[in-house]
Amino acid sequence: NAGVTQTPKFQVLKTGQSMTLQCAQDMNHNSMYWYRQDPGMGLRLIYYSASEGTTDKGEVPNGYNVSRLNKREFSLRLESAAPSQTSVYFCASSEAGYGSNQPQHFGDGTRLSIL
Amino acid sequence: QQQVKQSPQSLIVQKGGISIINCAYENTAFDYFPWYQQFPGKGPALLIAIRPDVSEKKEGRFTISFNKSAKQFSLHIMDSQPGDSATYFCAASGDFGNEKLTFGTGTRLTIIP
Repeated sequence: NAGVTQTPKFQVLKTGQSMTLQCAQDMNHNSMYWYRQDPGMGLRLIYYSASEGTTDKGEVPNGYNVSRLNKREFSLRLESAAPSQTSVYFCASSEAGYGSNQPQHFGDGTRLSIL
Repeated sequence: QQQVKQSPQSLIVQKGGISIINCAYENTAFDYFPWYQQFPGKGPALLIAIRPDVSEKKEGRFTISFNKSAKQFSLHIMDSQPGDSATYFCAASGDFGNEKLTFGTGTRLTIIP
């Protein structure tokens, strides 16, 4: 019963390098999310996908792109990494449905450092 | 702009005491207020949630108190235990929880013996 799996768990990049963070969920959830967590700032939504084939910008989308590859997988790409993107990245999923108040289930995060 | 303000940033409580974390929101369209608990090295996990049609919700030692007119809600942890030491995030969303969550900045709770 894996839930939400994120890879890699740790990564160090140099400024200007590109990278894709992978996320997969095995709960058959419709909605998936990418957050970044920085000290003193809580969790901020980068992008989300309400269903397979749709993606929308969150609060801090600049410098990122996403792909909802299928219902299970939602990837986050940094095209040209910058030191300001040093953070812990969390993927989450939920079973959306009007009136259902379904919780978001989080992975254990990817710790990314940009030098 | 920060739509959910959380305080305090850190909190130290003695074992057996009551831990209280407060949140205030601005958007009157919010109608779902969950609390998430996060242990070091792990992702957040839903702890308890409330809708604004009730003023209080209790699950074991955890209680949410909600004040709609003041646009405030709080988490109370009764008989706090060392295992409760974690970071706690309040959050809010609209449309019965199916809209995007807006998180508070987090409270690092430490329970000392």
